Amino acid sequence: KQEVTQIPAALSVPEGENLVLNCSFTDSAIYNLQWFRQDPGKGLTSLLLIQSSQREQTSGRLNASLDKSSGRSTLYIAASQPGDSATYLCAVNQGAQKLVFGQGTRLTINP
Amino acid sequence: SAVISQKPSRDICQRGTSLTIQCQVDSQVTMMFWYRQQPGQSLTLIATANQGSEATYESGFVIDKFPISRPNLTFSTLTVSNMSPEDSSIYLCSASGTVNTEAFFGQGTRLTVV
Repeated sequence: KQEVTQIPAALSVPEGENLVLNCSFTDSAIYNLQWFRQDPGKGLTSLLLIQSSQREQTSGRLNASLDKSSGRSTLYIAASQPGDSATYLCAVNQGAQKLVFGQGTRLTINP
Repeated sequence: SAVISQKPSRDICQRGTSLTIQCQVDSQVTMMFWYRQQPGQSLTLIATANQGSEATYESGFVIDKFPISRPNLTFSTLTVSNMSPEDSSIYLCSASGTVNTEAFFGQGTRLTVV
């Protein structure tokens, strides 16, 4: 059974810092991995999708990497801003578009 | 990308009653799903909503408790039946154009059962 783990569970950093969020998964037989952002009491906003054949994807200040063989992904956020404060979730697609989610990292950017 | 609208956004319900949540997508999509997010937890897949046929439920979820309809390619409903306080969660609808593509989510329905 696929298990997805995100470390750390919570992170608080001052504005302007670069930071890395980690995601690991136990079964490397995945089709893709997706990073989401969730604001309190809200739905999920898709940030980046990495297919299993890709190594990384970039969108603005965000860069996500994938090492499928070792079961790891990282989300790099450059020059963090208070508006980046949210919970970040990673999810792996094991087929038929069924997503298995990690517990999330709750990020706080302090002005 | 797809824009997904859910109704209601939140509700407070009495135990023993049922609530139907609606999910509308702004474009035709192949795949629709329902997830549950219990307080302080991550998302768990309830079922795949199949167009024109019965939904496919994940282990631990049954049709009698969570009946799902999907009459066309843009609309689905999830009913939470005979509710108890343990059903208090956020329920989220998700859609994808095809397999192995980006998944999009609605804003969720926050359900509180008293």
